[in-house]
Amino acid sequence: SQQGEEDPQALSIQEGENATMNCSYKTSINNLQWYRQNSGRGLVHLILIRSNEREKHSGRLRVTLDTSKKSSSLLITASRAADTASYFCAPSGAGGTSYGKLTFGQGTILTVHP
Amino acid sequence: NAGVMQNPRHLVRRRGQEARLRCSPMKGHSHVYWYRQLPEEGLKFMVYLQKENIIDESGMPKERFSAEFPKEGPSILRIQQVVRGDSAAYFCASSLTENNSPLHFGNGTRLTVT
Repeated sequence: SQQGEEDPQALSIQEGENATMNCSYKTSINNLQWYRQNSGRGLVHLILIRSNEREKHSGRLRVTLDTSKKSSSLLITASRAADTASYFCAPSGAGGTSYGKLTFGQGTILTVHP
Repeated sequence: NAGVMQNPRHLVRRRGQEARLRCSPMKGHSHVYWYRQLPEEGLKFMVYLQKENIIDESGMPKERFSAEFPKEGPSILRIQQVVRGDSAAYFCASSLTENNSPLHFGNGTRLTVT
């Protein structure tokens, strides 16, 4: 499995603003997943985008995938204080491994101020 | 529909003791994964199990660590003769299928070795 690198490391915004986080990876993938982790809790799956998809939406979340640049972005619109968490990307499927052997980076720590 | 259940939530062991961490996957899920999160680090894959079989244990330390997922009952991660460096949060995740399936995480067991 390969590790995604999230950028920025930390992001601080006001409630109502949009938050954009980026992820880069190194080799080909079958899919890429985004997860959220609140302090002291397990990861929560947000979105899975397949390699043949370019964009996917789920509520206030929008994920894009550019396989030519080996990058993905997660946009959270109209952020809320409850969105405060760490966000991780997990590219999957390199080398024929598509099961849940994911490698997580340090993540982006998002802080949304009320 | 209960999520992934892990117990205990907190476990304190003295050096040299054994730690047993339990994980009940989501109903209907037969794929279980264990991850470890050291302080200030991302989650690291340890082992992937299907019912009664270890599929991939490439992330598991060669000594003192073992995992099982019996036909009946929860998955168990066992750490023998714990050392201070084993102090971490251990997360279990399950998935419905093997491929391209999101992981559902429990809230983890926080192991402290004194």
